[in-house]
This record gives sequence, C-alpha cells and structure tokens, in this order.
Amino acid sequence: SQQGEEDPQALSIQEGENATMNCSYKTSINNLQWYRQNSGRGLVHLILIRSNEREKHSGRLRVTLDTSKKSSSLLITASRAADTASYFCPQTGANNLFFGTGTRLTVIP
Amino acid sequence: DVKVTQSSRYLVKRTGEKVFLECVQDMDHENMFWYRQDPGLGLRLIYFSYDVKMKEKGDIPEGYSVSREKKERFSLILESASTNQTSMYLCASSQRDRETQYFGPGTRLLVL
Repeated sequence: SQQGEEDPQALSIQEGENATMNCSYKTSINNLQWYRQNSGRGLVHLILIRSNEREKHSGRLRVTLDTSKKSSSLLITASRAADTASYFCPQTGANNLFFGTGTRLTVIP
Repeated sequence: DVKVTQSSRYLVKRTGEKVFLECVQDMDHENMFWYRQDPGLGLRLIYFSYDVKMKEKGDIPEGYSVSREKKERFSLILESASTNQTSMYLCASSQRDRETQYFGPGTRLLVL
C-alpha cells in the first residue's frame, strides 16, 4: 500500500518523559509530514521535512528522516498531558495524502 | 490562521435518507478533500476537488457524491444513507501544491 505506517500502534508514558514514534514508507518522497489528532477531532499539521533534510526541529518536536531506510521518527520532548493524541505520517501521493492508522500516544499526568 | 469548518459535529440519520455534509474553508485554497475515518482503517479518501466544479474519485467513492459550486465550499452527499456509512467524516483543504492539508473538526455520522 502507499500509506505511511506508524509504529508503535500505541505508546504510554509519564508526563515529562520523551516520546518517540516511527514511520516507514514504501515509495520515494519529496517530503514527509507529521500530523496530530486529538480524540474525536480533526487533524493538525505539525511539521514537514523535505527529502534533502535529515533533521528538523519545531519547539518540543524533533523529526528525523532517513531516505535510505525510508523511515522517519518523531520525538516529543518533555511530554505533557495535552500531547495525548494520535500521530500520523501520511505519504504524499500524486493527488493526495495516504494515511495509516497512526500511533496512539497517552501521556499520564 | 487557516480555518476549515464543517456544518455539524454530530449527525444522526436514518437508513435511506439523503445526507448533506458541508465544508467551508476561508483560505482561498484550490484543493478540498473528503475523508472518512474508521477504527483500524485510518483515513480513507472519498473524493477530492482541485477547482470549482471539478472532482475526482478517491479510494472509496461508492455511495457518495460531491459538489463544489464555489471555491470555498465542498459538499459531500450520501444519496441514500446506509448503516455502513456510519463513520467520522473529515474535510480538508490545501493550496495547489497539496503538501499540507488543513482539516476541519470532523462530523461524526450515525446512520440507524
């Protein structure tokens, strides 16, 4: 399939800890994005990393990209209860984004 | 900030009813999308539109139609609702480069 695949499916950590989630994709990309979805809500764009970039930061988020392995990781540092959400790394297709089922992150206060 | 709004957060309809889901964006985006999201299946694209009066089928268009009469508005129509269309429906928009999509809050539809 063309969708990005997130791993693990679920992750539970204590507030203040770091959370790392991974993404693998199958076809070559120009860029990769990460989105967040709070429970029962729409998705919010977090960060985009281009294929010629290896790492990108945005606040407490750090994204890495390894095009040779077709993988990316999202690190959330010093997690907060408000980070509890599902995280997605859709793959960009010709007309669309292809979403997987995401990583469900639970941050315990 | 980009704002994408959907006409209802929750909707309950009966089997066989015609259902309209409305989506409006205020950023003059060319592209608009309708997805449905079901547990274990992720988001699946139903239809998208890259211009007024233009539409293209996504992965699961059966049982749905769309309308885009104005640039800011993209409607999803369930011609005859069925129970298997019970789902969360998400609308999104993007600029022509399609890289980043902006989502509405979603409509949770229950078909009885």
